[in-house]
Amino acid sequence: EPEVTQTPSHQVTQMGQEVILRCVPISNHLYFYWYRQILGQKVEFLVSFYNNEISEKSEIFDDQFSVERPDGSNFTLKIRSTKLEDSAMYFCASSAESQGSGRAFFGQGTRLTVV
Amino acid sequence: AQRVTQPEKLLSVFKGAPVELKCNYSYSGSPELFWYVQYSRQRLQLLLRHISRESIKGFTADLNKGETSFHLKKPFAQEEDSAMYYCALSGSSNTGKLIFGQGTTLQVKP
Repeated sequence: EPEVTQTPSHQVTQMGQEVILRCVPISNHLYFYWYRQILGQKVEFLVSFYNNEISEKSEIFDDQFSVERPDGSNFTLKIRSTKLEDSAMYFCASSAESQGSGRAFFGQGTRLTVV
Repeated sequence: AQRVTQPEKLLSVFKGAPVELKCNYSYSGSPELFWYVQYSRQRLQLLLRHISRESIKGFTADLNKGETSFHLKKPFAQEEDSAMYYCALSGSSNTGKLIFGQGTTLQVKP
């Protein structure tokens, strides 16, 4: 079965630095998502992306965050000037359909640690 | 507000016992509900979606709009069912955004 791939699996960065989390969605999928899970908390929606633009974003997804699909295969999440509270597991997901019978496929996650 | 509540952080049962993982939701429209599962060291994956009315690995879930619930059930738990289970709601937008509950760890003891 095709999989969503995320790199790196673990990223440690200093506070104030920029990080880019990378994802390769399933090739024929059209809808892309980023979620995060702070340790001990629920999985939270960050942003959805369709047709080369953000279709929805949460309150968490402020100006510090940006997403890009630079080359038709990768889907990246950039966090500028990281803060300690950005430490979390970040999940990428993709789907062939937006909802209903749609099924989201998740990557294995990137654990971001801000020190 | 759209919200999913899973009241139990941990549910521990013996092998062969029935299992019910509770999920309640808050949503004003017609909800799309899902159960996702994460086995140890594996990625989050879809287990069930309510519109399919399917049974996967012996699990079923019925949407009860009156009680705003979507509880996950299995009559006889197996050790391999031990995992984290998340109930999720597809939001009111057409973007496919998922709103997750806090998750319930199911521990099936031998």
